[in-house]
Amino acid sequence: QVQLVQSGAEVKKPGASVKVSCKASGYTFTDYSIQWVRQAPGQGLEWMGGINPNTGGTNSAQKFQGRVTMTRDTSISTAYLELTGLTSDDTAVYYCARTGLFDNWGQGSLVTVSS
Amino acid sequence: DVVMTQSPLSLPVTLGQPASISCRSSQSLVHSDGNTYLNWFLQRPGQSPRRLIYKVSNRDSGVPDRFSGSGSGTDFTLKISRVEAEDVGVYYCMQGTHWPRTFGQGTKVEIK
Repeated sequence: QVQLVQSGAEVKKPGASVKVSCKASGYTFTDYSIQWVRQAPGQGLEWMGGINPNTGGTNSAQKFQGRVTMTRDTSISTAYLELTGLTSDDTAVYYCARTGLFDNWGQGSLVTVSS
Repeated sequence: DVVMTQSPLSLPVTLGQPASISCRSSQSLVHSDGNTYLNWFLQRPGQSPRRLIYKVSNRDSGVPDRFSGSGSGTDFTLKISRVEAEDVGVYYCMQGTHWPRTFGQGTKVEIK
């Protein structure tokens, strides 16, 4: 069955960077895009961007452009989201999801930004 | 950006009774390929979102048939024919037609 397993919780200081991973299994990794969505505490869902694991092509929400980098390692079926210049507003659970139709989701990775 | 507006934002329901959530978009969600990319998700407390409905009215595998989606253009609805205890959580609509992808604010369903 399709599974997306994400990396564990992180605590970062303001100004730092964080890199979250999303390991896919149960399907051909390069056949489907990976999307990234975040959820601040008690808030709704916010799309950040996505990557085509086959080509490495990415697109992201304008809000995050310049701060977000999405990459992948096809040899280990893993996608990555890196966010730089962290502030307290970036404290959130970060989810990966499969395809532009978001049919399967990872368990989420909590990123806490605190001095 | 396309704004997705859900109503109500809070929905107390009685077990066994029907429930309905509305989702309206600020632009038509009909894609140039002819599809309408409107999804519905349920996020149970402490869990990741789970997709229930895709392309307006297609139920995902394992989703009970008491859930149904309908609508067109800019106006969409999720209906639960008879609410069960496991249906508690926050429901989100999401459009996948326009960039950036956008979600509704969420509708919290709870049992009266």
